[in-house]
Amino acid sequence: EAEVAQSPRYKITEKSQAVAFWCDPISGHATLYWYRQILGQGPELLVQFQDESVVDDSQLPKDRFSAERLKGVDSTLKIQPAELGDSAMYLCASSLGLLLVLQFFGPGTRLTVL
Amino acid sequence: KNEVEQSPQNLTAQEGEFITINCSYSVGISALHWLQQHPGGGIVSLFMLSSGKKKHGRLIATINIQEKHSSLHITASHPRDSAVYICAVSSGAQKLVFGQGTRLTINP
Repeated sequence: EAEVAQSPRYKITEKSQAVAFWCDPISGHATLYWYRQILGQGPELLVQFQDESVVDDSQLPKDRFSAERLKGVDSTLKIQPAELGDSAMYLCASSLGLLLVLQFFGPGTRLTVL
Repeated sequence: KNEVEQSPQNLTAQEGEFITINCSYSVGISALHWLQQHPGGGIVSLFMLSSGKKKHGRLIATINIQEKHSSLHITASHPRDSAVYICAVSSGAQKLVFGQGTRLTINP
């Protein structure tokens, strides 16, 4: 069964360091999402791609976060420099398109910033 | 006030009980989603609905568009149903806005 792959599953870093997360969506899924989920809260959209183009990055803290999906397939989310408040679960999801389709989620990357 | 509100935040029940989780939203939507998140963090989409009712096994989801309200029901609950259940709404280009989740614990 096709799945969304994410790596690493866990990451511990010190503040001011750079971290990067990788996501490989289900093959054929044009839309890719990065979410951040703080413990005890629902996920919050950080960035949404349609193929290689950014559709929505209104909630992405652009001073420290960047995301790319250069070939419209896999994607990387980077944080530089990491701050204590960035500790969270980072979830990647993909879907066939933009409208009225299910999103399929990866297992997530749990980031701890010390 | 959050755009998506769930109740209760925590729910503990005995195996076999009928479970209801509620979701209210304040914005116009194209669809409402119910998702399940297990302790490891992985999220599974359970339902996407824009009207009426959907059923899958022991799970039933209903939505009332006029009242901006949805419910997720679990019949004959089982300890393996223990998870966080999240309601999310989408409008326009599929951006999901999530509720805070309901933590369900089913005791044997």
